[in-house]
Amino acid sequence: EVQLVESGGGLVQPGGSLRLSCAASGFTFSSYSMNWVRQAPGKGLEWVSYISSSSSTIYYADSVKGRFTISRDNAKNSLYLQMNSLRAEDTAVYYCARAYCSSTGCYGAFDYWGQGTLVTVSS
Amino acid sequence: AIRMTQSPSSFSASTGDRVTITCRASQGISSYLAWYQQKPGKAPKLLIYAASTLQSGVPSRFSGSGSGTDFTLTISCLQSEDFATYYCQQFYSYPPLTFGGGTKVEIK
Repeated sequence: EVQLVESGGGLVQPGGSLRLSCAASGFTFSSYSMNWVRQAPGKGLEWVSYISSSSSTIYYADSVKGRFTISRDNAKNSLYLQMNSLRAEDTAVYYCARAYCSSTGCYGAFDYWGQGTLVTVSS
Repeated sequence: AIRMTQSPSSFSASTGDRVTITCRASQGISSYLAWYQQKPGKAPKLLIYAASTLQSGVPSRFSGSGSGTDFTLTISCLQSEDFATYYCQQFYSYPPLTFGGGTKVEIK
């Protein structure tokens, strides 16, 4: 069974840092691209960042570029999001999500999601 | 960035109803569209990818159609467990990957 379990969320002051982790199991983690997607309270979904299976390709949303860093450790089946210079508008539930892959390739849709971890940026 | 616009943003329906949600892309995205269902306090669930392909395990009352800029999600016979918020998402051109604003389906 595919499982994604996020951790590391919490309350942090504006300007602070936080590192999120996502532990993956039930599939060959090293074969899949992964993403972070967030959802502010009562709002819609916002894609945050993408990392390819080998970490060779990384993308960020403009809203987090230069402040957040995505990484992965395939030996530990883990995905990370280092968040620096946090702002109030970064307050959200952060989900890790696996890229959908078929026999024809992998795509930018998300077939498995974690339960999410809440990040609250407030003084 | 490709902008995704869903309509309506919310509506009320009864069990057994046939409901349709619309998603429009600001430019052509071929069939690179996914639909998700999200219930309160839960992670989104993939329903449909490539505009019309049902994800494994998703009931056949869900269907998707469209190509280019206009897409629809149809629930043929609404069940109690279908009351939720639905999102479309394009994966034709990224970054960024973009979602629609969501459509909340409420009980009438």
